[in-house]
Amino acid sequence: AQRVTQPEKLLSVFKGAPVELKCNYSYSGSPELFWYVQYSRQRLQLLLRHISRESIKGFTADLNKGETSFHLKKPFAQEEDSAMYYCALSGTWGLGGGKLIFGQGTELSVKP
Amino acid sequence: DAGVTQSPTHLIKTRGQQVTLRCSPKSGHDTVSWYQQALGQGPQFIFQYYEEEERQRGNFPDRFSGHQFPNYSSELNVNALLLGDSALYLCASISAASTDTQYFGPGTRLTVL
Repeated sequence: AQRVTQPEKLLSVFKGAPVELKCNYSYSGSPELFWYVQYSRQRLQLLLRHISRESIKGFTADLNKGETSFHLKKPFAQEEDSAMYYCALSGTWGLGGGKLIFGQGTELSVKP
Repeated sequence: DAGVTQSPTHLIKTRGQQVTLRCSPKSGHDTVSWYQQALGQGPQFIFQYYEEEERQRGNFPDRFSGHQFPNYSSELNVNALLLGDSALYLCASISAASTDTQYFGPGTRLTVL
C-alpha cells in the first residue's frame, strides 16, 4: 500500500530548540519525497524535495531508504516556523508532477 | 502572475445537490490536479487533467468528475452531495514539460448541510 505517515499531530518547541518532524512512507518502488508547508492563512507551498538536497529556511531532510523515512530537521527553531507541515510522496519522477500522496500533517508550534 | 486561482472561496450546499468548482492554473502551466482536504487530514488526490483528458484518478467515486478547457482551466463537479463531501478542495498546476513541483491554489471551502 502507498502511504505516508506523520506520527505527531502537534509538535511544540521553544525558540532556539532543535526540531525534528517525522515522516515514514510505504511505497513499492523509488518514490520522490517532499515536504510542504502551510503558514497561517496562506496556501500550501513546497518547502523542499529530496532530489534537490537543498536547505530551505534552515530545514533539511534526508531520505533513508532502509528505514523508509524522510524526517524534517532544523537545528534552531524560530517563531516564524510555526505552521502546518505535510510530508508527501510521488511515484512519478521527472516531468509533469504526478499524483501526490500526503501524510496527515504535523502542526509545529514554536513558543517564544 | 496571480498563481493558481480558485473560485468560489466558500460554498454552502445541501445534501443531494450538485456543485462546480473552478480553477485557473498558473501562467505557463497545462496540467491541473484536484485534491480534497478534510478537516484535520492531509490532501487526498482526486484526479489530474492534461490535454483536456483525465490522466490519473484517485480513489473517489464517479460522483466526482472534472473537465479541462482549451485554456487549461479546469472544473471539478460533484453530484449527489453527501455530508462527508464537506472539505477544502485544492487545485494544483504544473507544466507537463517541467521537472518543477506543483503549485497549489488557495482552495474552495465546501460545506454540505
